Amino acid sequence: NAGVTQTPKFRILKIGQSMTLQCTQDMNHNYMYWYRQDPGMGLKLIYYSVGAGITDKGEVPNGYNVSRSTTEDFPLRLELAAPSQTSVYFCASSYSFFGTAEKETQYFGPGTRLLVL
Amino acid sequence: KQEVTQIPAALSVPEGENLVLNCSFTDSAIYNLQWFRQDPGKGLTSLLLIQSSQREQTSGRLNASLDKSSGRSTLYIAASQPGDSATYLCAGYQGGSEKLVFGKGTKLTVNP
Repeated sequence: NAGVTQTPKFRILKIGQSMTLQCTQDMNHNYMYWYRQDPGMGLKLIYYSVGAGITDKGEVPNGYNVSRSTTEDFPLRLELAAPSQTSVYFCASSYSFFGTAEKETQYFGPGTRLLVL
Repeated sequence: KQEVTQIPAALSVPEGENLVLNCSFTDSAIYNLQWFRQDPGKGLTSLLLIQSSQREQTSGRLNASLDKSSGRSTLYIAASQPGDSATYLCAGYQGGSEKLVFGKGTKLTVNP
């Protein structure tokens, strides 16, 4: 299994541009998450999904959109990029919220580093 | 609202030392608590997950404990090695929610 994969690894955007960060998992996990990590600030949840067709907001959803049309994919869309969206973005997945420790464990992708100038 | 705190923010120890990393949380209704490791420029790697019905979990040289009544979790690393140098993050679920709340991490340096 490749686990959780993210593309691209690094991207520079100009203010006002849009882009989609891709996330794919091959572990048949139901739950998927998007986080952003800023230096010294820990990880903040942007959006999450508990299954195909179901998404919900996290702590910092403004300026982002998501969709979940398949179990495997959970893309994050940035509309009208702003310097405040400069960050490292991580996608994660888990099998479920209830169950064994293995099923509840979140697995992370390698991250996408985004710079908005 | 669940808040997770990790103190200290950074820790430097000599190789071979046993050490404890601390994590505190405000909501005792925490569902489970996870410890992660993050190497520079990399994603997070899950180390241990302690479910709310458990008090501790062990994996190799790592032992994590959970005390819901005091709002604390600890990660014990035995016989530390330079390869253990990384940032360690703890995270707990906000009560009644599928949202994981992270601490800011402790940056560990193990000196040869």
